[in-house]
Amino acid sequence: LAKTTQPISMDSYEGQEVNITCSHNNIATNDYITWYQQFPSQGPRFIIQGYKTKVTNEVASLFIPADRKSSTLSLPRVSLSDTAVYYCLVAFSGGYQKVTFGIGTKLQVIP
Amino acid sequence: DTGVSQNPRHKITKRGQNVTFRCDPISEHNRLYWYRQTLGQGPEFLTYFQNEAQLEKSRLLSDRFSAERPKGSFSTLEIQRTEQGDSAMYLCASSGTGNSPLHFGNGTRLTVT
Repeated sequence: LAKTTQPISMDSYEGQEVNITCSHNNIATNDYITWYQQFPSQGPRFIIQGYKTKVTNEVASLFIPADRKSSTLSLPRVSLSDTAVYYCLVAFSGGYQKVTFGIGTKLQVIP
Repeated sequence: DTGVSQNPRHKITKRGQNVTFRCDPISEHNRLYWYRQTLGQGPEFLTYFQNEAQLEKSRLLSDRFSAERPKGSFSTLEIQRTEQGDSAMYLCASSGTGNSPLHFGNGTRLTVT
């Protein structure tokens, strides 16, 4: 299973764009990259998933370079409600068996 | 889509007692997962079901832990002879096939006194 590395914490002011980068140097050909958001006392919530290049949905964008050894989650114009822990996961496209989350990145949005 | 439901939300028990948690996945999802999360850590994988078959078990899942998913629908996680180290948030997730993302419930917080 590909190991991921991401910053432990980040601070940002409201209204700014936030980019969180995750390293996954030993990603395999069939692995997908998925990001989750977790608020205190809640389960993680799916944000976005991608395989290569760029993926965008209504809440975030995911940038994946050609070598796929890293990925960047981009949150446009964050608000206080985006304060949460963000997890980067790499998992085999055939399923999520034994997927383990790292510590994640604790994002603190400052007014 | 009513989401993944877990009950109870909180459980306080005395050391040595048995506890059972229930998870109701999204109805069309055939994959179900149990995770455990302690403060400041990410969720740790415990076990995985595809339909009613338990296909993966973590070494974290000692013989005091047992999980079932009869008929491939809801699942239960039982902890026998609870210990203080079992205190954690127990999360259930479900997913469809292929690279479908996990959908988590809001967990059962267990406190062992």
